[in-house]
Amino acid sequence: DVVLTQTPSILSATIGQSVSISCRSSQSLLDSDGNTYLYWFLQRPGQSPQRLIYLVSNLGSGVPNRFSGSGSGTDFTLKISGVEAEDLGVYYCMQATHAPLTFGSGTKLEIK
Amino acid sequence: EVQLVESGGGLVKPGSSLKLSCVASGFTFSSYGMHWIRQAPKKGLEWIALIYYDSSNKYYADSVKGRFTISRDNSKNTLYLEMNSLRSEDTAMYYCAKAGPHGDWFAYWGQGTLVTVSS
Repeated sequence: DVVLTQTPSILSATIGQSVSISCRSSQSLLDSDGNTYLYWFLQRPGQSPQRLIYLVSNLGSGVPNRFSGSGSGTDFTLKISGVEAEDLGVYYCMQATHAPLTFGSGTKLEIK
Repeated sequence: EVQLVESGGGLVKPGSSLKLSCVASGFTFSSYGMHWIRQAPKKGLEWIALIYYDSSNKYYADSVKGRFTISRDNSKNTLYLEMNSLRSEDTAMYYCAKAGPHGDWFAYWGQGTLVTVSS
């Protein structure tokens, strides 16, 4: 199975600070169809996960543009440009290129 | 508005069975694949199953293969997860999520239904 390693596991930020989360894959996530099936989610406390980014860098509908995704192959990054209070929660990356689909272990964002 | 509503969770004993449902609305259910994902208490997310729009293909995580069965009834806009031989490690919140075209997956999730396996 593909292992996704997220770092850091805990991130503490002040309002307005820009932060990045890394997601490294044990295998290339480039599919034979040319797509890279790498997703980012935010799970706020007590809520269902919310998709932020799909196919590495595509912003989900209704997601603020302070969120951005980048990367290729095995290295991916989620950046939040100017953290807001509502961004606290746990962030997960997920890959759907290889079966079984797998999630990273999560990054908890705390607001200082 | 897309809505996914799970139900069927509850407290069951080890070795027993349970069938979860996910009722979909706000989109053409019969055109999209669907996933089940679960989350054990205080743990991360675990994908467990996918079914294609026409039930032609089904995929499972190794942790549930042979015990869980994903199915759907397009006439009822409903996704199912039949769970047999339940174990304590199956205790989790179970979510359904919608697939989409061209990799636009997981944009919509249900609120989840809690399954607790305990004697």
